[in-house]
Amino acid sequence: DQQVKQNSPSLSVQEGRISILNCDYTNSMFDYFLWYKKYPAEGPTFLISISSIKDKNEDGRFTVFLNKSAKHLSLHIVPSQPGDSAVYFCAASARGGTSYGKLTFGQGTILTVHP
Amino acid sequence: DADVTQTPRNRITKTGKRIMLECSQTKGHDRMYWYRQDPGLGLRLIYYSFDVKDINKGEISDGYSVSRQAQAKFSLSLESAIPNQTALYFCATKTEGNTEAFFGQGTRLTVV
Repeated sequence: DQQVKQNSPSLSVQEGRISILNCDYTNSMFDYFLWYKKYPAEGPTFLISISSIKDKNEDGRFTVFLNKSAKHLSLHIVPSQPGDSAVYFCAASARGGTSYGKLTFGQGTILTVHP
Repeated sequence: DADVTQTPRNRITKTGKRIMLECSQTKGHDRMYWYRQDPGLGLRLIYYSFDVKDINKGEISDGYSVSRQAQAKFSLSLESAIPNQTALYFCATKTEGNTEAFFGQGTRLTVV
């Protein structure tokens, strides 16, 4: 039972354009969402997060949008840069229930930004 | 120095062997986690611990065991390694509440 899903295994964009990475979830107890970035031979690093009480959080070139009714979130990167090429993981956590205290991850999306 | 350190970084072992992966952290976090990454499956939780006396199974704990030797140390053991345990393993730490987890650099394990 995949509670967090990233349905696009890969995404390719041109430098300077917008990258949009999508994530869907099924567990209504999730109340905190995170995006992680992973380069080869390194561990995942935290990028940006959003609480369920918000619908948008922005940090520089990165913006995360949350649509609770659709159980959907997205990460926008504008403008995209070649150094953004990495695997992006969506993750979620809950204040209660069986998902309490742990992060549940999606399958990841490989982003490639072409110069 | 890294805040979350995993050893070894790479390991090749034979089927049936016992192997231990170690994780130590200097962040002072109570909570520690072991994940494995497989292509197309993302990061899946193996075991987690909220403090030294607390151990919990994750979604894929079969074939694994853990030990929380101290607040800063959390080790993962494969009692009898099998080829489908070939994967990238990550240790992570976090504090209580809605906070991010910090990951180690990973251990690439190959079981032949």
